[in-house]
Amino acid sequence: DAKTTQPPSMDCAEGRAANLPCNHSTISGNEYVYWYRQIHSQGPQYIIHGLKNNETNEMASLIITEDRKSSTLILPHATLRDTAVYYCIVDLGGADGLTFGKGTHLIIQP
Amino acid sequence: SAVISQKPSRDICQRGTSLTIQCQVDSQVTMMFWYRQQPGQSLTLIATANQGSEATYESGFVIDKFPISRPNLTFSTLTVSNMSPEDSSIYLCSVVDRGFSKDYGYTFGSGTRLTVV
Repeated sequence: DAKTTQPPSMDCAEGRAANLPCNHSTISGNEYVYWYRQIHSQGPQYIIHGLKNNETNEMASLIITEDRKSSTLILPHATLRDTAVYYCIVDLGGADGLTFGKGTHLIIQP
Repeated sequence: SAVISQKPSRDICQRGTSLTIQCQVDSQVTMMFWYRQQPGQSLTLIATANQGSEATYESGFVIDKFPISRPNLTFSTLTVSNMSPEDSSIYLCSVVDRGFSKDYGYTFGSGTRLTVV
């Protein structure tokens, strides 16, 4: 079973920041938090990951709470092309495949 | 990151037949992964394919139904055998193209959309 809990769907206005929450209360100390997204009819795309510290790249920011039991993915200026299913995944960061949960269907409204 | 090509992109097959899906990577990778995504569902890992050894299957998936080949470090095939309508899904190939996923994450192909009639 997936180790994360995400809202099934969210709406966000175009141009605004999209904040996607994820609960992972059973995360262990050596597990990373990963975010992937899947745009319709495409394979999942890696977005960002982190262990303890907040992370930022050209796509998004990842905010991890101090107790590591939850995190938030931030898309700073959402566009219509950001409409997708976003998956929050907890993983050791090895190379043995991923366990996907149901994800959050983010819909960006014009 | 690695670039993955999957063939075919989609197919419609008769029940009882088999389909082989190809996954080609533009760089050498140690491990390749096959996933299934049933309609309206999330991805489920089928198996891990290592070059030079038997694939490792997840619970609920067996080699007779989903035989996998891994002849070299850039290529793998997944066969869906003796198909039934319940096998209608998107099948995706994935790799960790450099080191471990904690460094760069996984890269996914665009998938093969299979419909069994």
